[in-house]
Amino acid sequence: EVQLVQSGAEVKKPGESLKISCKGSGYSFTSYWIGWVRQMPGKGLEWMGIIYPGDSDTRYSPSFQGQVTISADKSISTAYLQWSSLKASDTAMYYCARQLGVAVAGPDFDYWGQGTLVTVSS
Amino acid sequence: QSALTQPASVSGSPGQSITISCTGTSSDVGGYNYVSWYQQHPGKAPKLMIYDVSNRPSGVSNRFSGSKSGNTASLTISGLQAEDEADYYCSSYTSSSTPVFGGGTKLTVL
Repeated sequence: EVQLVQSGAEVKKPGESLKISCKGSGYSFTSYWIGWVRQMPGKGLEWMGIIYPGDSDTRYSPSFQGQVTISADKSISTAYLQWSSLKASDTAMYYCARQLGVAVAGPDFDYWGQGTLVTVSS
Repeated sequence: QSALTQPASVSGSPGQSITISCTGTSSDVGGYNYVSWYQQHPGKAPKLMIYDVSNRPSGVSNRFSGSKSGNTASLTISGLQAEDEADYYCSSYTSSSTPVFGGGTKLTVL
């Protein structure tokens, strides 16, 4: 069974750093792109970026380029999303998801993690 | 890149059919056959319902169908059921080589 299990909720202060994780199981982790999607409270979905764990090829939405870093450790089948300096506006639910298709950065995520709620408040 | 345009809300009665539109441009919806649709219930992760404009993943009811004409993609739900009440999002590949989501549509089953 394909599963993506994300790390738990985080409460941070502005300016702090953070790295959240997404562990894949039940499939070949290195053969599928893994993406990250943001959902701010009461708002819609936003595509942030994507990584191919096989070779760490990474693509970012222009809206998130330079704001976050996506990485992966294929030895433990885990993808990461990290911030170096959080802002209150980073408060949101963050989902990781596996891309179904082989096209780079396609819009089709077939398996999703349960989400990680990040709250940034002073 | 701008979000794709969806109606904020649609509604229908049980058993009826509804269609949700997703309007973009020739740089996204109109330019590629890479349009997906997601269903999201409150407090849950999104679920892929349609990919590549009109393909259903295994396990998704055939009451859900997708199509595209020009710069507008559509999701049709036939035989509406109470459990279909949810938010629906479209997503398309774009000429920027990254996807974009629509703003979302709240479906109410009356």
